[in-house]
This record gives sequence, C-alpha cells and structure tokens, in this order.
Amino acid sequence: AQSVTQLGSHVSVSEGALVLLRCNYSSSVPPYLFWYVQYPNQGLQLLLKYTTGATLVKGINGFEAEFKKSETSFHLTKPSAHMSDAAEYFCAVSVKTTDSWGKLQFGAGTQVVVTP
Amino acid sequence: NAGVTQTPKFQVLKTGQSMTLQCAQDMNHNSMYWYRQDPGMGLRLIYYSASEGTTDKGEVPNGYNVSRLNKREFSLRLESAAPSQTSVYFCASSEGPTDTQYFGPGTRLTVL
Repeated sequence: AQSVTQLGSHVSVSEGALVLLRCNYSSSVPPYLFWYVQYPNQGLQLLLKYTTGATLVKGINGFEAEFKKSETSFHLTKPSAHMSDAAEYFCAVSVKTTDSWGKLQFGAGTQVVVTP
Repeated sequence: NAGVTQTPKFQVLKTGQSMTLQCAQDMNHNSMYWYRQDPGMGLRLIYYSASEGTTDKGEVPNGYNVSRLNKREFSLRLESAAPSQTSVYFCASSEGPTDTQYFGPGTRLTVL
C-alpha cells in the first residue's frame, strides 16, 4: 500500500521568501502525485499533479513541484511567498492497481503561515 | 457550474441520532468519494463509488453507510452517531479513478 509523509506540520515564511514544503511517498508501483491547498473553511483545491512525463510540474499561483523517483519525493516550492499563500497544503498519492484502484492517500498536511 | 455541493454546512447531533449528508456534482463525473478530515490526520477515505451503481469501503468505513442515488448524487449516512464521528466531512468527484478529484466545501459535524 502507498503512504505519504509531509515533513513539518507548520511552516512559517516571510513574505517574499521561498516556500518549500516537503513530501515523501512510498509506493511499490509508479505513483500519481498531487498537491492540494485548503484555505480556511473551504474544501481542497488542486495545485498541481504528476502522472507521467516531465518530472517538473507547474501548477497554479506560481507553485511547482519536482518528482524525484530516486528520492521518492515530490516537494512543493514557490520562489516568493505572498500573504495569500497562507493555507494548509496536502500532498497525496494514488496508484492504479487492482487493490488500490486510484484511491488518494493524503499526508497529514502542512499549515503555512506568511509573515509580513 | 456549481461543481460539488454539500448539505448541510454545519450540524450538531446528540449521540445515537442519525443523519444523512448529501452531496451532488454537476460535472458528469463517474466517480465520487466521501472523506473525513481530522486535525493532524489529513483526509481519510470513508467510502467511494467508482461508477453509478457501485460503492466500496475506504480506509475508515465503520459507522457509515452510503448510497449512490444516481450519477450526480452520493449520500453518506450515520445511523447512530458517536462523538468519535465529530469531524469535517468532504465529498469529492472525479472523471475516473486516477483523475483529479474536485472537492465540495465540507460539512462540519459535531456529535455531543
């Protein structure tokens, strides 16, 4: 079965600084990887996803993530944080097997605080 | 398009009461899902429906039942609510099993 680990439940960044959120996964078959964002009192919104092909994936709001198979990682970055980036971020993995059937396995989430 | 809608937005129950959470999507998606979100645990899959007419258990199905009423609607029922079911419940839908899932705004449920 697949699993996801997000390093750091809370991250504080200064406005204009680099945002780096770490995600490691385990999977015995090639994974599909996702980053979702959740703003306060809202549902989850897809930031970006990796299925196959180019390992550097660009998403909405200036975010990008790189799939590194050798490191089993899918870290999320944004060069310059904005106040509006304050939210909770979830990494998720899915695999296409008869057992898992594409079920999304979520990490525990990372709360991002942006300070002026 | 409204996307995924959920009702109610908030609910308070007493232990032992029952209720049904409603979910509807207008994107003509085949697959639908119910998750619960608890602090520090991310989202956990309760039940899913790969296509109209099928449902299956997820990671935490105990205490819940579901009905895929038609292609648009997927309801979650708590027959006898317990305090451990206090959570935020999200419905989601996707075109197929490995496609992007679109989430509703959530239902905040408190069981006293």
